[in-house]
Amino acid sequence: QVQLVQSGSELKKPGASVKASCKAYGYNFTKYAVNWVRQAPGQGLEWMGWINTKTGNPTYAQGFTGRFVFSLDTSVSTTYLQINGLQAEDTAIYYCARDFSDGEYPGGVWGQGTQVTVSA
Amino acid sequence: QSALTQPASVSGSPGQSITISCTAANTTIDYSVSVSWYQQHPGKVPKLIIYDVRSRPSGVSHRFSGSNSDNTASLTISGLQAEDEALYYCSLYSHSTTLVVFGGGTKLTVV
Repeated sequence: QVQLVQSGSELKKPGASVKASCKAYGYNFTKYAVNWVRQAPGQGLEWMGWINTKTGNPTYAQGFTGRFVFSLDTSVSTTYLQINGLQAEDTAIYYCARDFSDGEYPGGVWGQGTQVTVSA
Repeated sequence: QSALTQPASVSGSPGQSITISCTAANTTIDYSVSVSWYQQHPGKVPKLIIYDVRSRPSGVSHRFSGSNSDNTASLTISGLQAEDEALYYCSLYSHSTTLVVFGGGTKLTVV
């Protein structure tokens, strides 16, 4: 069935980098954009941006430029979120979510989340 | 991108109806934007319960309904049940900018 499956939890030291993945199943991968959403502990949902899966062109929300990089590999129907120069404030669950503007239920397909913990 | 304001908390008793508002700053909620609502239970993935202001995905209870007026979207839950106790988030997608914003979330308590 249609689903997004994310990579497992990560524990990183400050200054390191992390690359989380989001693999699509059950639909034409390049038909829909993939968004990334952050949820810090006890906080709300924060939209980070999206990547065009046809062109690979990323769009970043304010506050997520510079250290955050979206990429994809269409051969394995997977999008990636890389965070460089990790800081304690990056500790959060990172969700990927399918297109908020298209599909049978826009914004209705989410990955299970990847927990990223940044600690010395 | 327009900010979305939700009340921090609402409460209701079983069987009652409640409404959660989502107000967009400097944006009229019309055909140019898509508003969605998500339900999130503790430790769980957000679940889409309303999209395009008032449409309900298959499998979502008819007790959930959405509406809008000017720059405010609303989620109404009728016949409150204990299982409705959760966090609720609205989101707005702008078709012109392709940007998304989430509201701060509303904690619903069923007392």
